[in-house]
Amino acid sequence: SQQGEEDPQALSIQEGENATMNCSYKTSINNLQWYRQNSGRGLVHLILIRSNEREKHSGRLRVTLDTSKKSSSLLITASRAADTASYFCAAGGGSTLGRLYFGRGTQLTVWP
Amino acid sequence: DAGVIQSPRHEVTEMGQEVTLRCKPISGHNSLFWYRQTMMRGLELLIYFNNNVPIDDSGMPEDRFSAKMPNASFSTLKIQPSEPRDSAVYFCASSQQGAAGANVLTFGAGSRLTVL
Repeated sequence: SQQGEEDPQALSIQEGENATMNCSYKTSINNLQWYRQNSGRGLVHLILIRSNEREKHSGRLRVTLDTSKKSSSLLITASRAADTASYFCAAGGGSTLGRLYFGRGTQLTVWP
Repeated sequence: DAGVIQSPRHEVTEMGQEVTLRCKPISGHNSLFWYRQTMMRGLELLIYFNNNVPIDDSGMPEDRFSAKMPNASFSTLKIQPSEPRDSAVYFCASSQQGAAGANVLTFGAGSRLTVL
């Protein structure tokens, strides 16, 4: 069963604006990952945050994790049209080590 | 490295036919995953292997689905007989999984299956 759920399902913004996507999960984790999927392509790993971390940065990406609320957020700053894609969170390290539970994704559209 | 290689990229078949999807993981990776993606159900884990051994096949829909990993560089997902509801994009992913570390997946480009 799916253990991650992203919110919102779809997000539409203008270039230069920030995009925030949220994720909630059900299982216990030792890490939370975010992936990106361009239309017609496979998923690409963006960033990983461990359960003992609260915030992590990578370029224009900022990820937060709140294990007490079982939630995470992905912030993309100064968005570009090329950021248009679907973004998925994946909860890892639950009861079955190695298994990643993916959400349904947030479809982000960035208008030029 | 060429990444995870899947074939075929597209397959159109008729109901009742056998379908075989193939995957070559990244060399040196010890875990391999098969996922199915549809609009209705999102991304579902079908089965995953660690060191060529199936670890969790609880996501395999029914007996019509089978997966094998005869060696570290090759895996197949077979559907026999195929049905229209099997239409989806099937992804293979691989990773180098440590004993207690995080599992970062590298995905293939997917195989889009249409069963008429």
